[in-house]
This record gives sequence, structure tokens and C-alpha cells, in this order.
Amino acid sequence: DVKVTQSSRYLVKRTGEKVFLECVQDMDHENMFWYRQDPGLGLRLIYFSYDVKMKEKGDIPEGYSVSREKKERFSLILESASTNQTSMYLCASSLGGSDQPQHFGDGTRLSIL
Amino acid sequence: GNSVTQMEGPVTLSEEAFLTINCTYTATGYPSLFWYVQYPGEGLQLLLKATKADDKGSNKGFEATYRKETTSFHLEKGSVQVSDSAVYFCALRGPDSWGKFQFGAGTQVVVTP
Repeated sequence: DVKVTQSSRYLVKRTGEKVFLECVQDMDHENMFWYRQDPGLGLRLIYFSYDVKMKEKGDIPEGYSVSREKKERFSLILESASTNQTSMYLCASSLGGSDQPQHFGDGTRLSIL
Repeated sequence: GNSVTQMEGPVTLSEEAFLTINCTYTATGYPSLFWYVQYPGEGLQLLLKATKADDKGSNKGFEATYRKETTSFHLEKGSVQVSDSAVYFCALRGPDSWGKFQFGAGTQVVVTP
């Protein structure tokens, strides 16, 4: 089975801090994705990566950056955390074909105080 | 662009009732279609998929048929259990979208004993 592991289930940080969320997958997937999930807003794509060192902006990239130095790891960075970034963050990975599903981690519930 | 519309919830059912969650889509070309399930506090899990017209995906008693003529992918289960209480997401992945997924807003299902 595909395993997508997010480094923390719960995280509490302070406004202005630089925050790193880590995601690792063990199935040699080319594509990796970061979403945030908020009540009433569904899943919103922040960034995705279709290969090592490649990244593309999603629908809501403002205030975030990403890093993909190795194929298995995709990091989401909040440059200067703000309270409106309090959310559930979900990482996913997939193979590159259009018939391939995404596989999700368990999520990180991030609170910015 | 691609989009997915699914019925709003919550859908409340008694145990052993029949469940249908409607999902329709708009897409360029021939997308692949997916249903995901999310249990409280967890990430999304792939429930089933269909990759071409008239394909039927099935898993754990759930079924959905890819209907190109009606651009639909409705999820059904003949007899729900309390353990089926969750949020269900319909999603598509188009061949022209750089591997990006489009998710519906999610439908919460509550099954009572």
C-alpha cells in the first residue's frame, strides 16, 4: 500500500513564525500536492510538484512556498504565519498518468495563535 | 475549466437504508473519475475509481458508474452501516490539467442506528 506520511498531526505556532510542514511518500510517485481544507470551502490546492525541483502554483499560493529536493519529500513552508492560515493541511501524491488516483496523508491540523 | 458538482449534505439515513450521492462533472476531453471518503480527523481515502465511459468502480459495497452521456458519476450503496458515516468527495483528473485534480465540495453522510 502507498504510504504518505505527514510529520505532525497537530501543530501550534505563533503569528510571524516560519513554519515547515513535511510530507514523505514511499511509492516513487512523480506528483505531490499540498491542499488546505476549511469548513465550507472544501479542498483548495496550494502548490503541486510534478517532478523533483519542479513546482507549480495552485489556486491559493499566497503566503506559502514549497520545496522538493528529493522525489519522496515535499515540504510546505509558511513564510510568516498568520492566523488566517489556521487550517487542516493535506498532502497527497500520485503517479503521473491521468488515470492515477491521489493518495493522501492523515493531515496536519495547524493552529496559528 | 474542469469542475465537479456534488449534492449538498448532510444526508441522514437509518442503518440498512439505500444511499445515493449525486455527482456531475464538466471537463475537457476524457477525465478519470474518483470517489474518496474522509473519516473524522483523517485524510482522504480512495474509495473507487473509473477511467472511461461505462466503467463501474466498486469497493466495500459502494458502486459508481461513469456515465459520459449525462456527465455523471453517482455513488450508491445498497445497505449502509453506522460505520459509513463520513464525508464523501467526488473528484476528477483530466488529461489536460497537468495532473491536477478537481474535487467536489464533499457530502457529509450520517447513518443512525
